Amino acid sequence: SYELTQPPSVSVSPGQIASISCSGDQWGNKYASWYQKRSGQSPVLVIYQDTKRPSGIPERFSGSNSGNTATLTISGTQAVDEADYYCQAWDSTTASVVFGGGTKLTVL
Amino acid sequence: QVTLRESGPALVKPTQTLTLTCTFTGFSLTTDGVGVSWIRQPPGKTLEWLALIDWEDDKYYNISLKTRLTISKDTSKNQVVLTMTNMDPVDTATYYCARGRDGQQPRKYYFDYWGRGTLVTVSS
Repeated sequence: SYELTQPPSVSVSPGQIASISCSGDQWGNKYASWYQKRSGQSPVLVIYQDTKRPSGIPERFSGSNSGNTATLTISGTQAVDEADYYCQAWDSTTASVVFGGGTKLTVL
Repeated sequence: QVTLRESGPALVKPTQTLTLTCTFTGFSLTTDGVGVSWIRQPPGKTLEWLALIDWEDDKYYNISLKTRLTISKDTSKNQVVLTMTNMDPVDTATYYCARGRDGQQPRKYYFDYWGRGTLVTVSS
């Protein structure tokens, strides 16, 4: 089955850039989405189709996808950004949705 | 305004069948490219996709759980129902339903609206 691999944790100082990676085979054939999940709350879509940001999501959130890695970047990270982040893709080979294991972002 | 709301039992016994209903507003499950999915998160663990049903009534399942899952829709009621058989304590989780978009070929589903989730505990 298709797998997406994320680092378990990322730490960043307030105001700095946070980068969260999501690796998987043949990313070029797939599109990455990213979700923010705060404890006790529902996931929130922050990036879809690799680079698009839904309305209402701050501009400091951006995404990229190249080779075998998709990346979520948060510029000027704020304390409110502290959450778990999940990447997700549709795998056409197995006709299934795949989530990465999640990355805990800590803003120190 | 798009909303989704999960409903179902908070507690089920091992071996029982779980039935969850997702009631949604603000969109139609007959619109091209739209689907509704079920996703769960056990306490302290990662998100796990379960199933998706789309506007053409095509159904997709997590291969590791496929034998236990059935997803269906009632378009007239704006509802999607998930049944999971032979429940086990490891199935204890918060279950979410979410709207999927971009289901036309080539599919690139993402989930733009989520329900609040419902906690299901499996215990005797």
